[in-house]
Amino acid sequence: DIQMTQSPSSLSASVGDRVTITCRASQSISSYLNWYQQKPGKAPKLLIYAASSLQSGVPSRFSGSGSGTDFTLTISSLQPEDFATYYCQQSYSTPVTFGQGTRLEIK
Amino acid sequence: QVQLVESGGGVVQPGGSLRLSCAASGFTFSSYGMHWVRQAPGKGLEWVAFIRYDGSNKYYADSVKGRFTISRDNSKNTLYLQMNSLRAEDTAVYYCAKDMVVFGVVAATPDYWGQGTLVTVSS
Repeated sequence: DIQMTQSPSSLSASVGDRVTITCRASQSISSYLNWYQQKPGKAPKLLIYAASSLQSGVPSRFSGSGSGTDFTLTISSLQPEDFATYYCQQSYSTPVTFGQGTRLEIK
Repeated sequence: QVQLVESGGGVVQPGGSLRLSCAASGFTFSSYGMHWVRQAPGKGLEWVAFIRYDGSNKYYADSVKGRFTISRDNSKNTLYLQMNSLRAEDTAVYYCAKDMVVFGVVAATPDYWGQGTLVTVSS
């Protein structure tokens, strides 16, 4: 199985900050990488698919990059509604696997 | 708009069985593969199973293989997860999710998720 490792596991930031979350795969997954946002008590929401494609309806302050084994999710200017947990997920092979999550908290 | 509504969760004793359902609407259900993904309390996301759009292929996580069965009824726009030989570690919120790829044949990108149903395995 492909292991997905996110860093950091948690971070504190302020409204307006630029934030970057990284995700590393245990083997090359080309661009088969997705990012999700999850708020407490809610279902995950797809933000980015295929490493850098913005899902419909997602604000343009979210962006993704990377290929192979190293990927990043960037939020260009944090908004109050962005404080949540973020997960990466590889869709290169079955079983689909997720990173352990990055909790983004208000500083 | 895509809507997925899970049901069937509850409290069950270890070794027991439960069947989850997911009613789908707002898209052509028979054209998309479907996933089950679970989340233990306070933990991360764990993919459980995927079924091809026509039901002809199914894939499972090792942790549930041989105990869980995913199925679908395209005439009823409904996805199922039959869970047998339940263990304490199966306690989680179970989400159904639609795959992004039309006529997809392998598990890929869950794009729309239901609100989840809680399964608690406890004596």
